[in-house]
Amino acid sequence: AQSVTQLDSQVPVFEEAPVELRCNYSSSVSVYLFWYVQYPNQGLQLLLKYLSGSTLVKGINGFEAEFNKSQTSFHLRKPSVHISDTAEYFCAVSTGTASKLTFGTGTRLQVTL
Amino acid sequence: NAGVMQNPRHLVRRRGQEARLRCSPMKGHSHVYWYRQLPEEGLKFMVYLQKENIIDESGMPKERFSAEFPKEGPSILRIQQVVRGDSAAYFCASSPPSTANYGYTFGSGTRLTVV
Repeated sequence: AQSVTQLDSQVPVFEEAPVELRCNYSSSVSVYLFWYVQYPNQGLQLLLKYLSGSTLVKGINGFEAEFNKSQTSFHLRKPSVHISDTAEYFCAVSTGTASKLTFGTGTRLQVTL
Repeated sequence: NAGVMQNPRHLVRRRGQEARLRCSPMKGHSHVYWYRQLPEEGLKFMVYLQKENIIDESGMPKERFSAEFPKEGPSILRIQQVVRGDSAAYFCASSPPSTANYGYTFGSGTRLTVV
């Protein structure tokens, strides 16, 4: 079985500053990795995903993430955040033989002026 | 092309009543997934269905919960005799068969409140 750990429950950051949201996973098999964003009272929107190939993945809204197999990490980064990036961010993992996603508990990104 | 449609958006039920949550997948998507999000927690997988088939229900509580995805019409998540602990946001997602492992599209959720 796989699991996902998002160590930071909340990350406060000033507008235009860089941000990194951490995600570590554990799995005994190869995984697919995802980041989703949830705005208040809305569903989840896919930001980006790693399936195979280049370990640096670019997503929507200027976000990117890097898959690090040796450290079993998939941290999300953005060089300059905007107020509108304030939301809950979820890291998720699935394996090649299962369609269900295992989610982390989420990181609340709070961007202020 | 409409996204994944869930209704109602908000549902209030008294303890002991039944709750029915509906999910219409995106056009062309034949796989449906239900997840539950308890307050301050991440999403937990409940069930994975294809048309007229339950593929994986390993996350469904053993009692009171059931799900179906008929040949025609939306997928239904049914909760019988609701209790306060069932209060949560329930999200549906869908995917086409060829990309079931590659992430899917979520609806906006149904927020169930049991009073």
